[in-house]
Amino acid sequence: SSELTQDPVVAVALGQTIRITCQGDSLRSYYATWYQQKPGQAPLLVIYGKSVRPSGIPDRFSGSRSGNTASLTITGTQADDEADYYCTSRDSRDTVLFGGGTRLTVL
Amino acid sequence: QVHLQESGPGLVKPSETLSLTCTVSSGSLSYYYWSWIRQPPGKGLEWIGYIYYSGSTNYIPSLRSRVTIAVDTSKNQFSLRLSSVTAADTAVYYCARLVEVVYESHFYHDYWGQGTLVTVSP
Repeated sequence: SSELTQDPVVAVALGQTIRITCQGDSLRSYYATWYQQKPGQAPLLVIYGKSVRPSGIPDRFSGSRSGNTASLTITGTQADDEADYYCTSRDSRDTVLFGGGTRLTVL
Repeated sequence: QVHLQESGPGLVKPSETLSLTCTVSSGSLSYYYWSWIRQPPGKGLEWIGYIYYSGSTNYIPSLRSRVTIAVDTSKNQFSLRLSSVTAADTAVYYCARLVEVVYESHFYHDYWGQGTLVTVSP
């Protein structure tokens, strides 16, 4: 299958930890990349590779992978983390797959 | 800091061809892949295709028959053409730089344009 599946909506209390997941066969072979998108803005790269954060991304963001599932974990979630999160992956045809996105609500 | 800027018509008629250009500044096209990605209003992101600076391309299978991505290294630009458009092609179109991490065999988009809304309507 050439799809990445994400939960459409998740919620977390302010200051708590949330794990956003992404499932797909391609994740058994390739790392996931995670993007954050706020309304009216372009996506922002937050995690790539094993769990690499670009400059400027807080260390409360981390990534992991197990089998066909990749996870983005936000530890000590802040109000500013409320956004849509998308996972992507390379696939065997060297194309780019996008997950459907997860809307994170911070309570 | 690499900067990308999309440009092109914001309104295209059904059955016509959508054409956009992405201008890259403060950086070279060389040794990178360059993608087009779109987002219909209120929906998720969809990768359309990429081009390597040398000209090789790869497209999402569902659009392959209608899409052409080209590069002009002399102008530091790359472009998107999508033919026979319908209302379903209405979206914000983004251009982005795609980095390949060869030793770990994965991709990521590190720099994005601000996006441009293209509406398909008579």
